[in-house]
Amino acid sequence: DAGVIQSPRHEVTEMGQEVTLRCKPISGHNSLFWYRQTMMRGLELLIYFNNNVPIDDSGMPEDRFSAKMPNASFSTLKIQPSEPRDSAVYFCASSLGGEYSGNTIYFGEGSWLTVV
Amino acid sequence: SQQGEEDPQALSIQEGENATMNCSYKTSINNLQWYRQNSGRGLVHLILIRSNEREKHSGRLRVTLDTSKKSSSLLITASRAADTASYFCAAPSGSARQLTFGSGTQLTVLP
Repeated sequence: DAGVIQSPRHEVTEMGQEVTLRCKPISGHNSLFWYRQTMMRGLELLIYFNNNVPIDDSGMPEDRFSAKMPNASFSTLKIQPSEPRDSAVYFCASSLGGEYSGNTIYFGEGSWLTVV
Repeated sequence: SQQGEEDPQALSIQEGENATMNCSYKTSINNLQWYRQNSGRGLVHLILIRSNEREKHSGRLRVTLDTSKKSSSLLITASRAADTASYFCAAPSGSARQLTFGSGTQLTVLP
């Protein structure tokens, strides 16, 4: 079975540019998560979708960040405009189930973003 | 906010030795998970322990949970160089009880 698929794996962009990260969750999973990992802040949950609906976006840093899940097999995380402090690894993850009840979360390999 | 915090932040041991990592969490939970992250890769689930369990084993892994102290530990026995990775505990948090992760323990196993 294919795992969580993220693209691009690596992106270098200039400050002010729009960045779009993409994610395909594991087929059949109905929960999707976007995390950001940095050395300073560790692994932060940005947003959590259940059945394509955003349930908790309290971790989204600011209005420059937006996430969508138009269907069960695709999600995007967009940063517009990007800033150097957005440089991080962005992970998409998925799991079965609704409100978290102990299900394993499966992570993608991450999108390594560098904003210069 | 983070639910779990690992201790120590970094641990370096010789191959064959045992490695113990600890995790403390803030609010009551019904389960706690441990994940592993190899350098440059995503996190991979290792083991889940439920609040009514005190200890659980999986291969060379042993996890304990003390709900009275709000703490958990991960023991890796007979460590190998391939165990070198970051290890994270994770527990439900927030209004939607989504999984949040600690800051991780960086384990280095020297050959």
